[in-house]
Amino acid sequence: GIQVEQSPPDLILQEGANSTLRCNFSDSVNNLQWFHQNPWGQLINLFYIPSGTKQNGRLSATTVATERYSLLYISSSQTTDSGVYFCAVSSYRGSTLGRLYFGRGTQLTVWP
Amino acid sequence: SQTIHQWPATLVQPVGSPLSLECTVEGTSNPNLYWYRQAAGRGLQLLFYSVGIGQISSEVPQNLSASRPQDRQFILSSKKLLLSDSGFYLCAWRPKGGQSPYEQYFGPGTRLTVT
Repeated sequence: GIQVEQSPPDLILQEGANSTLRCNFSDSVNNLQWFHQNPWGQLINLFYIPSGTKQNGRLSATTVATERYSLLYISSSQTTDSGVYFCAVSSYRGSTLGRLYFGRGTQLTVWP
Repeated sequence: SQTIHQWPATLVQPVGSPLSLECTVEGTSNPNLYWYRQAAGRGLQLLFYSVGIGQISSEVPQNLSASRPQDRQFILSSKKLLLSDSGFYLCAWRPKGGQSPYEQYFGPGTRLTVT
């Protein structure tokens, strides 16, 4: 299967700071999603971004599919941004299944 | 709009007892359905997937099984739980077709503790 590596594994910020999370993947993909896992465990969809750039409020994401990486930007961090951020991809191989391969996540902690 | 439900939200079961977790999707038809497990340490692992009623594929050999008795219902079962079955179980769905056909949506999860 596809290898997905996320960095950094842990990130501690002061409220108001900006951050960049990175996701590297080992094969061509037809799907890349960023999720935020809230304290109750639910995975919240942030972006569906197999290529290109998207923005949603203080969050934005860029995927460079040809170079096999994606970046998630968080600006003006708030304490509610705390949690684990996951990158997940699915491959053109076996695309009818669409199974997701997850990275191990970035644990973000934002202090007031 | 589509919603996905899972129950129960939490479960504590003794070793050797049976298990039944349910997942239901509303507002769509003929979705692909998935069961994932998240163990301690954050990684998510695909357990089962289904492309239609009665069609189940397993990704990882284990003492769990899955069934899809109705189009939008996906059930995860075990006859005898092991300690290693503890974890957070997430159900997910994705549409066939549409603007973002590969995007998956996750339910709220079931936290299972086997004692």
